[in-house]
Amino acid sequence: EAQVTQNPRYLITVTGKKLTVTCSQNMNHEYMSWYRQDPGLGLRQIYYSMNVEVTDKGDVPEGYKVSRKEKRNFPLILESPSPNQTSLYFCASTLTGGVTEAFFGQGTRLTVV
Amino acid sequence: GQNIDQPTEMTATEGAIVQINCTYQTSGFNGLFWYQQHAGEAPTFLSYNVLDGLEEKGRFSSFLSRSKGYSYLLLKELQMKDSASYLCAVRDYPSYKLSFGAGTTVTVRA
Repeated sequence: EAQVTQNPRYLITVTGKKLTVTCSQNMNHEYMSWYRQDPGLGLRQIYYSMNVEVTDKGDVPEGYKVSRKEKRNFPLILESPSPNQTSLYFCASTLTGGVTEAFFGQGTRLTVV
Repeated sequence: GQNIDQPTEMTATEGAIVQINCTYQTSGFNGLFWYQQHAGEAPTFLSYNVLDGLEEKGRFSSFLSRSKGYSYLLLKELQMKDSASYLCAVRDYPSYKLSFGAGTTVTVRA
């Protein structure tokens, strides 16, 4: 089954404790991205990757890091989480070339206290 | 970048029709997408338009006018399960970045 898998689904952590949210897709998609979703603000792109070893900042990259060592994986790293990073996070992947939809992971609800 | 506007909320009666408008501004255009999102869940793809005109998919239709920077999603024969947020998104070319509007919450009442 074609899917994007994120883990964990829920996470409560303390300020400053490094964490990683994993994302994996099995569709051989080149393009992957991370979004955060906050009430009234919609989905905002954090980082994206056009292919292996190619990553770039989205609209709200401060406080986040990513890596793309393999095509299928695109982890999101919070080196020193702060309470303003409490949000619902989504990973997405899509084919480039042609007009194709983005597939989303199940979401990760992160709370930083 | 993109500037995408859609209404915040809409309410309609079961069995009725609702039209959600979306306006956008973009430097490069590679398609307009509509997604449905139930609270706390992932967005799911509904439709896309890359050329002007109407695309129909069962009870859902989507329209695009590239010259006007305008799209709408039409939901017909509304059902209670259609209560959700509907997201308008525009893909940029050549970056392939998908930018979203804030979403329209549709409430279907009996």
